[in-house]
Amino acid sequence: QKEVEQNSGPLSVPEGAIASLNCTYSDRGSQSFFWYRQYSGKSPELIMSIYSNGDKEDGRFTAQLNKASQYVSLLIRDSQPSDSATYLCAADGGGTSYGKLTFGQGTILTVHP
Amino acid sequence: SAVISQKPSRDICQRGTSLTIQCQVDSQVTMMFWYRQQPGQSLTLIATANQGSEATYESGFVIDKFPISRPNLTFSTLTVSNMSPEDSSIYLCSVAGTGGFYEQYFGPGTRLTVT
Repeated sequence: QKEVEQNSGPLSVPEGAIASLNCTYSDRGSQSFFWYRQYSGKSPELIMSIYSNGDKEDGRFTAQLNKASQYVSLLIRDSQPSDSATYLCAADGGGTSYGKLTFGQGTILTVHP
Repeated sequence: SAVISQKPSRDICQRGTSLTIQCQVDSQVTMMFWYRQQPGQSLTLIATANQGSEATYESGFVIDKFPISRPNLTFSTLTVSNMSPEDSSIYLCSVAGTGGFYEQYFGPGTRLTVT
């Protein structure tokens, strides 16, 4: 059973702070990892993808991947109230399961002014 | 990324009936998927919609309950058959991008309530 676990929430940070979201996965065959943002009542929106060990930065977002530790994280710098949402970590199945995503349970982030 | 639409956006259905959900993409895509998001839960993959062949279902999902069609590279349908209140969920289709790592983009979803 492939599993993706996210750090328990909800997470509350003040505006301007760094929000840190963490995720671990069980399937060593997974090669691709994704972070989605989901606003209440909306569908998930892809915000970051990462495939190689290390950091990947895109604006205020930084994704980190450590395949040896089976760990993925998302940092949001200068958090804004508009970042308040549920963040979903997903791992691709890899191999014959390429394209099949397993999602974590999500972390609710609240950024308060 | 592709523009994805779903119909209907929401519906309220009686138990024992069936509902067909449509997913339309504005460009040809190789991979399309159907997910379910139960109330307060994360997403669970139902099946991969294969063009020209039967869908590939994940553990716990069967064709009789969730028949899927994929007549071409821009369109797919998911039917929820013989519905019960436990089928009340949001159903989402997704498409994989044309890049090598299959980034997936989701449609707006169909919110289904079964009474």
